[in-house]
Amino acid sequence: ETAVFQTPNYHVTQVGNEVSFNCKQTLGHDTMYWYKQDSKKLLKIMFSYNNKQLIVNETVPRRFSPQSSDKAHLNLRIKSVEPEDSAVYLCASSQRGTGGEQYFGPGTRLTVL
Amino acid sequence: GDSVTQTEGLVTLTKGLPVMLNCTYQTTYSPFLFWYVQHLNEAPKLLLKSSTDNKRTEHQGFYATLHKSSSSFHLQKSSVQLSDSALYFCALTQTSGGNYKPTFGKGTSLVVHP
Repeated sequence: ETAVFQTPNYHVTQVGNEVSFNCKQTLGHDTMYWYKQDSKKLLKIMFSYNNKQLIVNETVPRRFSPQSSDKAHLNLRIKSVEPEDSAVYLCASSQRGTGGEQYFGPGTRLTVL
Repeated sequence: GDSVTQTEGLVTLTKGLPVMLNCTYQTTYSPFLFWYVQHLNEAPKLLLKSSTDNKRTEHQGFYATLHKSSSSFHLQKSSVQLSDSALYFCALTQTSGGNYKPTFGKGTSLVVHP
């Protein structure tokens, strides 16, 4: 099956802890993204990578750090989570030449207590 | 920077009626425009896309026409169904050095009643 996969589906943690989310795409795309979707359903791009190279780095707190091992994988680490980090984190991919059409994964719902 | 404006936060309709969701944008580049639909507890998925001026694009009964003169890409359907209840995002991408940077609108929630 070709798609965008994310793990875990849900994660509950306490303020100050570190969390990591994984994303893998089997679509053969060359660009991957992380988005944050908050409780108001706003979609905000956080990072994007093209062939392991960071190309978009929006203004996000420094406790967020993306990691890409190859063009099919893009992980997100959050050091010392805060309550405002509670959200759904969506991973997406796209391919050059298609206009940037986004293929989204199912998301990871983070709850910070 | 780029921006996408969706003027309606919530649209409520009765099944069978027509709908138009507004989308206007600002960019200094020649953009691709998209509509994504997100059903409850699901990921957004592509509904329509266009980069061609004044050409209508259609999918699953929805249609939109990109008008570069007015910077608009409104989403329409002639007869909404209960299953159309969802969150709809308008988005654009502009290409910088061959890389895409998407910009999303705030989304319009469509609620269809029986």
